[in-house]
Amino acid sequence: RKEVEQDPGPFNVPEGATVAFNCTYSNSASQSFFWYRQDCRKEPKLLMSVYSSGNEDGRFTAQLNRASQYISLLIRDSKLSDSATYLCVGGAFNDYKLSFGAGTTVTVRA
Amino acid sequence: EPEVTQTPSHQVTQMGQEVILRCVPISNHLYFYWYRQILGQKVEFLVSFYNNEISEKSEIFDDQFSVERPDGSNFTLKIRSTKLEDSAMYFCASSVDGDLTETQYFGPGTRLLVL
Repeated sequence: RKEVEQDPGPFNVPEGATVAFNCTYSNSASQSFFWYRQDCRKEPKLLMSVYSSGNEDGRFTAQLNRASQYISLLIRDSKLSDSATYLCVGGAFNDYKLSFGAGTTVTVRA
Repeated sequence: EPEVTQTPSHQVTQMGQEVILRCVPISNHLYFYWYRQILGQKVEFLVSFYNNEISEKSEIFDDQFSVERPDGSNFTLKIRSTKLEDSAMYFCASSVDGDLTETQYFGPGTRLLVL
């Protein structure tokens, strides 16, 4: 079973729409979670960390549900520049590596 | 803003040849990583490095691979006897420490093509 699984999408949404998607993780030892953004043929860039209490950064809201082992990302008021692949990433305590999901592709259209 | 840099941006090599991919981590960072991403697939961890030794490595990181910090700034990944399936984007990353609450910053990657 993959450590981190995501719906690959694509999610095609109009500008201004809200889009949300989840990822699930299998390693219950996973402690830290992140959403990274990856543009085509570019490096992953940290979008936001995900905290148990949920957190918001501008138009982006991340939630963590440890009981069900899933993480969500919600993007409000989508912009054209939000078009990217969003990578769900987890890490376990005392484990130096990050485990990446395959990514969810979001395309925002004018 | 400090950045992780990588050279070369692209590398084409013949199967069986050795390649060295270079990275300059952010200067005050102490933990260094290599990841790879085969085209169309997810980012995969290869190795982490701290205090001049490997902290952790994945199953992918076999005897064909080695890492080195030859001086105070560079961090290299050597791939011996390259295979077609080594073709991928290789990302270097660094972080202040190994605590996963610390952000890992990724370099722009080296695209390796093995012919």
